[in-house]
Amino acid sequence: DQQVKQNSPSLSVQEGRISILNCDYTNSMFDYFLWYKKYPAEGPTFLISISSIKDKNEDGRFTVFLNKSAKHLSLHIVPSQPGDSAVYFCAATPQGRQFYFGTGTSLTVIP
Amino acid sequence: DSGVTQTPKHLITATGQRVTLRCSPRSGDLSVYWYQQSLDQGLQFLIQYYNGEERAKGNILERFSAQQFPDLHSELNLSSLELGDSALYFCASSVEASSGELFFGEGSRLTVL
Repeated sequence: DQQVKQNSPSLSVQEGRISILNCDYTNSMFDYFLWYKKYPAEGPTFLISISSIKDKNEDGRFTVFLNKSAKHLSLHIVPSQPGDSAVYFCAATPQGRQFYFGTGTSLTVIP
Repeated sequence: DSGVTQTPKHLITATGQRVTLRCSPRSGDLSVYWYQQSLDQGLQFLIQYYNGEERAKGNILERFSAQQFPDLHSELNLSSLELGDSALYFCASSVEASSGELFFGEGSRLTVL
């Protein structure tokens, strides 16, 4: 049972444009959400997170939006850069006990 | 460099065999998590240890076991290996049992032939 879903396996965006990666979850007990970025042959690295008490968190070019009623979160990257090309994983946790990950979205930023 | 070290990086073995994957967490991190990533799959949570004690269990098969030692390093033991066990196995660590951020190692790629 996949509690965190990323329905788009891949996304291509032109350099300078906005990249929007989406994630849906099913468990209403999730109270903390994270995005990880993964390059080939490396482990995932933490990118940005958001608590369920917020609906937006911004860090430089990265913004995460949370819509609790829709059980949906999204990651916006503006402007997109070629170095952003990677696989992005969405994750969620109920009080940090387990971290549930989505299947990832492969982002390609075209120069 | 996340500070999490996993060995070996690559491992090729045969069905029916047993292997051990090792993880050294970041200095000071008490919690260790194991994840499995199969082809086209997300990161499947296997098990979590905190300061030597098992804290949470995910979809870990009975053929698999893990432990965390007093020096906080952890080992994941995979036995009676099957072709379907071929995957990337990631270890992650965090400071606390309920920390909001995990630091991942580079993974151990297991190939079962």
